[in-house]
Amino acid sequence: NAGVMQNPRHLVRRRGQEARLRCSPMKGHSHVYWYRQLPEEGLKFMVYLQKENIIDESGMPKERFSAEFPKEGPSILRIQQVVRGDSAAYFCASSPERGPSYEQYFGPGTRLTVT
Amino acid sequence: GESVGLHLPTLSVQEGDNSIINCAYSNSASDYFIWYKQESGKGPQFIIDIRSNMDKRQGQRVTVLLNKTVKHLSLQIAATQPGDSAVYFCAENPNDYKLSFGAGTTVTVRA
Repeated sequence: NAGVMQNPRHLVRRRGQEARLRCSPMKGHSHVYWYRQLPEEGLKFMVYLQKENIIDESGMPKERFSAEFPKEGPSILRIQQVVRGDSAAYFCASSPERGPSYEQYFGPGTRLTVT
Repeated sequence: GESVGLHLPTLSVQEGDNSIINCAYSNSASDYFIWYKQESGKGPQFIIDIRSNMDKRQGQRVTVLLNKTVKHLSLQIAATQPGDSAVYFCAENPNDYKLSFGAGTTVTVRA
């Protein structure tokens, strides 16, 4: 059973460009969570999604950031007009069908560098 | 507000010795407290959790202690091995799904 998959693993963008980060949850998981980790810090919750629904986006910046989890395909975290402060590791996690849960399985992360 | 923090950013331990990693928290409403291990270039990996109504839980080579009186959480690793070298995060679960992570302790195992 493959774990949570994220791609790309590393992404370099110039200031002003768009970054698209993809996450495929574990098989059978329908709950996806995105976290951001700045250097030397712990992970910070950004958003929780179920298929076709955003449940909680309280940790997501109000501008430039958006997330989706379509009926088919991976979850996408999109950052428009990236700035240097967006440089971080972005982790996706998923949890099983039985419901939202703190029992989350994390992917390897996407490391975004904005130049 | 919630705050989860670790007492020491780094810990160096001799191989074979026991490790103790500490964490302080401020949100008394959390139902669960969890320890994660993060190796370089990887995502956090679940180690062990403890429910707020417990004070001790043991796993394989690991023990988590919860002291709600002083809002303190610790992770004990028995007979530390080189593969235990990683960053360890405590996290609390203030609602059904949200995890609040501390800043992490980097554990280095000396041969």
